[in-house]
Amino acid sequence: DVKVTQSSRYLVKRTGEKVFLECVQDMDHENMFWYRQDPGLGLRLIYFSYDVKMKEKGDIPEGYSVSREKKERFSLILESASTNQTSMYLCASSSQGVPEAFFGQGTRLTVV
Amino acid sequence: DAKTTQPNSMESNEEEPVHLPCNHSTISGTDYIHWYRQLPSQGPEYVIHGLTSNVNNRMASLAIAEDRKSSTLILHRATLRDAAVYYCILRDLSNSGYALNFGKGTSLLVTP
Repeated sequence: DVKVTQSSRYLVKRTGEKVFLECVQDMDHENMFWYRQDPGLGLRLIYFSYDVKMKEKGDIPEGYSVSREKKERFSLILESASTNQTSMYLCASSSQGVPEAFFGQGTRLTVV
Repeated sequence: DAKTTQPNSMESNEEEPVHLPCNHSTISGTDYIHWYRQLPSQGPEYVIHGLTSNVNNRMASLAIAEDRKSSTLILHRATLRDAAVYYCILRDLSNSGYALNFGKGTSLLVTP
């Protein structure tokens, strides 16, 4: 079974903490993506990556950074967590020229 | 990016066919029509995609209008497990590294 695995299903962090959300895929995909999903706003793209060490800003990159040191791993970093970053975070991966993207189960992050 | 328009919600009885519409009047010639769905508490999953011709797979059928300005996802026999949010997304596969842009989708309710 192909898989995109996110390190945690649920996470609670304090305001001001540095938070790492990890995503690993086992399909040798070039592309990886981070989205957040909020009620009434749908899925919004934060960052994506075409290749190792490559990254591109999505629609809402403010307050986030990413890291892709290895092809299979894409990390989302909240430099200083704030309560408005409480959300469901979804990671996805896809291969060039292939229509299907695969999503992880999501990480529900609560910042208190 | 070309946009899609879907009804906010639809309702169906179990074991009946469901037709989920999508309008995309500004579609470009290289845009593929993709459908994803998101079951409760899960990440989105790929359903089907097409360019011009109607498409069938084990999950659903995709009917594309001749002028490509609209399409319909058809679930031939709805089950309770098909209750989900269905997203219609346009994506240019020549730039397949680009992320999927999710709208609000259609929330499908299936009743026994």
